[in-house]
Amino acid sequence: DAKTTQPPSMDCAEGRAANLPCNHSTISGNEYVYWYRQIHSQGPQYIIHGLKNNETNEMASLIITEDRKSSTLILPHATLRDTAVYYCIVRVYDSGNTGKLIFGQGTTLQVKP
Amino acid sequence: NAGVMQNPRHLVRRRGQEARLRCSPMKGHSHVYWYRQLPEEGLKFMVYLQKENIIDESGMPKERFSAEFPKEGPSILRIQQVVRGDSAAYFCASSPPAGRVANEQFFGPGTRLTVL
Repeated sequence: DAKTTQPPSMDCAEGRAANLPCNHSTISGNEYVYWYRQIHSQGPQYIIHGLKNNETNEMASLIITEDRKSSTLILPHATLRDTAVYYCIVRVYDSGNTGKLIFGQGTTLQVKP
Repeated sequence: NAGVMQNPRHLVRRRGQEARLRCSPMKGHSHVYWYRQLPEEGLKFMVYLQKENIIDESGMPKERFSAEFPKEGPSILRIQQVVRGDSAAYFCASSPPAGRVANEQFFGPGTRLTVL
């Protein structure tokens, strides 16, 4: 599975959009981009995933560049409860894949009042 | 629909004792994953199981650790003769059967193991 690079920390003002970048320059054509987050001491929470098209759900938007070498997770209106470590993970999924997630160090997002 | 359940939430053991951690996947999920998070570190994959089968145990320590997911009942992560270095948060995740494209994993709240 491809390696990802994320900034170690970011700040965001409450109510503003939080844009979290992720580089995955060695991503393969059959690898998906996943985002999870871990709020302090809790289990990781799935946010969103995508292959090559931009995706949006009730939690966030995922923007993937055309060459797929980087992506951005957007939390449109960050709240204090969005303070967490955000993990960008790329992995192959097919019927024969074990599906394990390889977590890096992630980005610690601090939302400030 | 209840989420992934883990128990106990906190477990204290003395060195040399055994620790048993239980995980009940979400209803309809037949895949279970165990991850470990050492203090101030990221999550590390340990083992992936389907009912009655270990699919990938590439992240499991070679000694003292074992996992099972029986036909009936929860998945069990067992640590024999615990040492202080086993102190960590152990997370279980589950996912639906294979066939769905890029299916996500749902995590439980974790079991915090403290070895005295």
